[in-house]
Amino acid sequence: SQQGEEDPQALSIQEGENATMNCSYKTSINNLQWYRQNSGRGLVHLILIRSNEREKHSGRLRVTLDTSKKSSSLLITASRAADTASYFCATALIQGAQKLVFGQGTRLTINP
Amino acid sequence: SAVISQKPSRDICQRGTSLTIQCQVDSQVTMMFWYRQQPGQSLTLIATANQGSEATYESGFVIDKFPISRPNLTFSTLTVSNMSPEDSSIYLCSARRSGANVLTFGAGSRLTVL
Repeated sequence: SQQGEEDPQALSIQEGENATMNCSYKTSINNLQWYRQNSGRGLVHLILIRSNEREKHSGRLRVTLDTSKKSSSLLITASRAADTASYFCATALIQGAQKLVFGQGTRLTINP
Repeated sequence: SAVISQKPSRDICQRGTSLTIQCQVDSQVTMMFWYRQQPGQSLTLIATANQGSEATYESGFVIDKFPISRPNLTFSTLTVSNMSPEDSSIYLCSARRSGANVLTFGAGSRLTVL
């Protein structure tokens, strides 16, 4: 089964609002990553947070990691129409850290 | 980061036929992976393509159905054999450079099997 479970499965907000997506996982990880996928395209890496980090920022993105709860969140601030995409969390397991296991994804729609 | 070219980008295939997808990276990479993504779903790892040796397959995927080649550090192919409609999916090639933690993805190959 997939390592990551994401919620919500779909999120629709107005442009300018903040979007928060959550990811939970089952086993211990080396790091957790977030990727974006525009419709019909490949995935693009957004941000990586290591297991010993609690929060990380990159531009309008903020990621948190709670290893005790085995969960992470991705916050996109001041959303734009161009942020419309699917967002996936991916975990690099401590064993087998060479490969990533992807969550179910959140489909984000930003309405102008 | 590396740039990955995948082809074909899409194809419509007949049941029982086979199709080979090519993945070309613009620089040498340590690891190459093949994922499958069914419409509206997440990515499932098919296998790790090993340079000069047999690929490492994940549970539920076998070499006879998904033979993979990786003759050098920049190129890999995935063949989907004896296709059925259940194989209709997007197949994604990805790669990781030595010492890097993140993956770069190709744009994917969308296969429809009739």
